[in-house]
Amino acid sequence: SAVISQKPSRDICQRGTSLTIQCQVDSQVTMMFWYRQQPGQSLTLIATANQGSEATYESGFVIDKFPISRPNLTFSTLTVSNMSPEDSSIYLCSVEMVDEAFFGQGTRLTVV
Amino acid sequence: AQSVTQLDSQVPVFEEAPVELRCNYSSSVSVYLFWYVQYPNQGLQLLLKYLSGSTLVKGINGFEAEFNKSQTSFHLRKPSVHISDTAEYFCAAWDNYGQNFVFGPGTRLSVLP
Repeated sequence: SAVISQKPSRDICQRGTSLTIQCQVDSQVTMMFWYRQQPGQSLTLIATANQGSEATYESGFVIDKFPISRPNLTFSTLTVSNMSPEDSSIYLCSVEMVDEAFFGQGTRLTVV
Repeated sequence: AQSVTQLDSQVPVFEEAPVELRCNYSSSVSVYLFWYVQYPNQGLQLLLKYLSGSTLVKGINGFEAEFNKSQTSFHLRKPSVHISDTAEYFCAAWDNYGQNFVFGPGTRLSVLP
């Protein structure tokens, strides 16, 4: 199993600014995943973060907007850059093994 | 690629009544299927999972699900719901090709007094 600590849990940000979300896992994992959950919707995968290489982004998401760091096997950050109100969502990090996915508590972002 | 469908976006039900939340998946290969619950302002919590073996899977909080390969379904059931079961429920599948989870759109279960 894996326990994931994610912070901040929520934030209200001004448009045009950036927010960095941190995700800490209690064990070493190869891949970490970042999701966006827009209001009333399901989870959309943003990118997969591997330690020691660039993140792999899903269609519709780009590195300039959502830069990701993965400095070691237990930690990752997602930055939401140059925010607009459309970025208001819950952002979740996860660790996924074939028999279960573990999630952080999520970061509820509101852009005003 | 794997895809997961949840036919009901919202399911209102009275307390102590039974409930079934529907889930269908697309795949012609072995599948690993999951149900997650998301309570308000919280992350996702695993309810139950099917990896192999018995097609009837029992999970936490009195929920169970049945894997039906011929119908490509994995419906979630509970014989008697409580107010505290009010939450968003996500069906998910492990995508062998992408090596990641694929989530359904979610079903909002509202338990009414």
